[in-house]
Amino acid sequence: DVKVTQSSRYLVKRTGEKVFLECVQDMDHENMFWYRQDPGLGLRLIYFSYDVKMKEKGDIPEGYSVSREKKERFSLILESASTNQTSMYLCASSSPSDRWDTEAFFGQGTRLTVV
Amino acid sequence: AQRVTQPEKLLSVFKGAPVELKCNYSYSGSPELFWYVQYSRQRLQLLLRHISRESIKGFTADLNKGETSFHLKKPFAQEEDSAMYYCALTGYALNFGKGTSLLVTP
Repeated sequence: DVKVTQSSRYLVKRTGEKVFLECVQDMDHENMFWYRQDPGLGLRLIYFSYDVKMKEKGDIPEGYSVSREKKERFSLILESASTNQTSMYLCASSSPSDRWDTEAFFGQGTRLTVV
Repeated sequence: AQRVTQPEKLLSVFKGAPVELKCNYSYSGSPELFWYVQYSRQRLQLLLRHISRESIKGFTADLNKGETSFHLKKPFAQEEDSAMYYCALTGYALNFGKGTSLLVTP
């Protein structure tokens, strides 16, 4: 059974804190993605990676950064959390590298609240 | 630029009625299109993709390049079809529309 696991289901952080959202996949996938999901706005791509140490900006990268030191792990970093980053964050993975026409597998999501 | 448009935020139908969820796209190249579904308290998952030309859970979708559309259809809706549906386009990475919430009432 394929698995994409996000480290936290719910997270509450204070404004200005540095926040790490972790995602691990066990499918040996090259591609990994971070989205945020907001009602009425759908899924918006923050960052993606098609290989270790490679990263590409998505549609809304401002206020975020990512880290891909190992193939199975893709971290989303909020350098200084703000209330407008309160959202559901979804991680996904797919394969092969740099091809996007294959099925993406999603994690269960992390609901982040910034107070 | 690539864009996916789902014009309906909410679609409510009665059980047994036909359902059509609309999706239009803009992309300069040759697109690959998908429908993903998220049932209540479950992960987002692939429903179907246009290259497979398959029917999943009674749903079908046909790519119409002339109208740049990829509408999702089912002739007889069931209550268990109630979910959030997202149309997605791959050109560069994987981009989603805003989603349509389908509610099937008895």
